[in-house]
Amino acid sequence: DQQVKQNSPSLSVQEGRISILNCDYTNSMFDYFLWYKKYPAEGPTFLISISSIKDKNEDGRFTVFLNKSAKHLSLHIVPSQPGDSAVYFCAARVGGGSEKLVFGKGMKLTVNP
Amino acid sequence: ETGVTQTPRHLVMGMTNKKSLKCEQHLGHNAMYWYKQSAKKPLELMFVYNFKEQTENNSVPSRFSPECPNSSHLFLHLHTLQPEDSALYLCASSQGGLVEEQFFGPGTRLTVL
Repeated sequence: DQQVKQNSPSLSVQEGRISILNCDYTNSMFDYFLWYKKYPAEGPTFLISISSIKDKNEDGRFTVFLNKSAKHLSLHIVPSQPGDSAVYFCAARVGGGSEKLVFGKGMKLTVNP
Repeated sequence: ETGVTQTPRHLVMGMTNKKSLKCEQHLGHNAMYWYKQSAKKPLELMFVYNFKEQTENNSVPSRFSPECPNSSHLFLHLHTLQPEDSALYLCASSQGGLVEEQFFGPGTRLTVL
């Protein structure tokens, strides 16, 4: 049973436009959410995170929104750049003192020049 | 070397072989992790070590045996594996103490014949 779901396997956008990546979760005990980016032949790299007590966190072109009532978070990339093309993973921390992260399957973003 | 390194990057082994994966982190972190990523599946946490002590074993079969001799090194000893164990094995580290961000190595692509 997947606790973190990224239901769309891929997204294609034009350079300069907004990319919106979505993630849904089922466990209301998750206390922290993270986005990771992965290029081929490399390990995932941390992008941005948000605590469950917040609803928005912004870092440059990247903004993460959290809707706890809907158990939904999204990553907005504005403006999108070709270098953003990668696989993006949503992850959630189990909480309760655990360092365990639960990951989604990932979504492949392609930004076309 | 910086960050998290993993060796070998690729490994092909038979079901009767014994091999080991190595991970080293140069970040001064206290926690280290092994993850497995199978095709079209989310990253799955296997083991967590904090200050060299195993704090999480995510119901991993005993043919996978982790070893953490110090906070900078993590090994995954493999023996009598099955073809379904073929996957990308990722090592990660974090500062520990409920700091969220984990830093990943590039992974070892394992094929079991």
